[in-house]
Amino acid sequence: SAVISQKPSRDICQRGTSLTIQCQVDSQVTMMFWYRQQPGQSLTLIATANQGSEATYESGFVIDKFPISRPNLTFSTLTVSNMSPEDSSIYLCSVGTGLSYEQYFGPGTRLTVT
Amino acid sequence: GESVGLHLPTLSVQEGDNSIINCAYSNSASDYFIWYKQESGKGPQFIIDIRSNMDKRQGQRVTVLLNKTVKHLSLQIAATQPGDSAVYFCAENTYNQAGTALIFGKGTTLSVSS
Repeated sequence: SAVISQKPSRDICQRGTSLTIQCQVDSQVTMMFWYRQQPGQSLTLIATANQGSEATYESGFVIDKFPISRPNLTFSTLTVSNMSPEDSSIYLCSVGTGLSYEQYFGPGTRLTVT
Repeated sequence: GESVGLHLPTLSVQEGDNSIINCAYSNSASDYFIWYKQESGKGPQFIIDIRSNMDKRQGQRVTVLLNKTVKHLSLQIAATQPGDSAVYFCAENTYNQAGTALIFGKGTTLSVSS
């Protein structure tokens, strides 16, 4: 399985600001995903970020709020824009090998918006 | 819509007992299922998966059972240990505009007392 790191691991931000979360993988992967996990809840897919194409967003998530970059096969960023307290969550990236449907997750970024 | 859910939000067992965590899914077309373990402050960790053409799959101390007739999935942990304490999520594979995606259930918190 791939080793995935995220930066920052946590942050406290003021409302109205933006935060960019980085996801780095130790090997080249085709598929990368971004999830949100609200406190005490399950994971909800925000978008799929495949290299060489625009990110595909799930219902309820829009590019203006969560712009994503995928410049190469080992790196992606998710920006949480114009933050409000409702954006306080853990944001997780995951990768898919493309050989099967399993995904491997990073440690997450814990975001608190005040 | 499609959803994957778990029957019980919490499960408490004694060390050495066998644990059974259940999950009901709604999409009869789902062809792949995964169980994840999430410890506090960490990202979900892959435990075991099963394809829809199988009824049972065994790993080290874990067994996943799939009953497609009633759309039910279970994770059995043998000789549960304190280190098994975590939140367990089932997830099913679905197909979307980006290709494939995982839909996660609500999670069951397993507490193991010694």
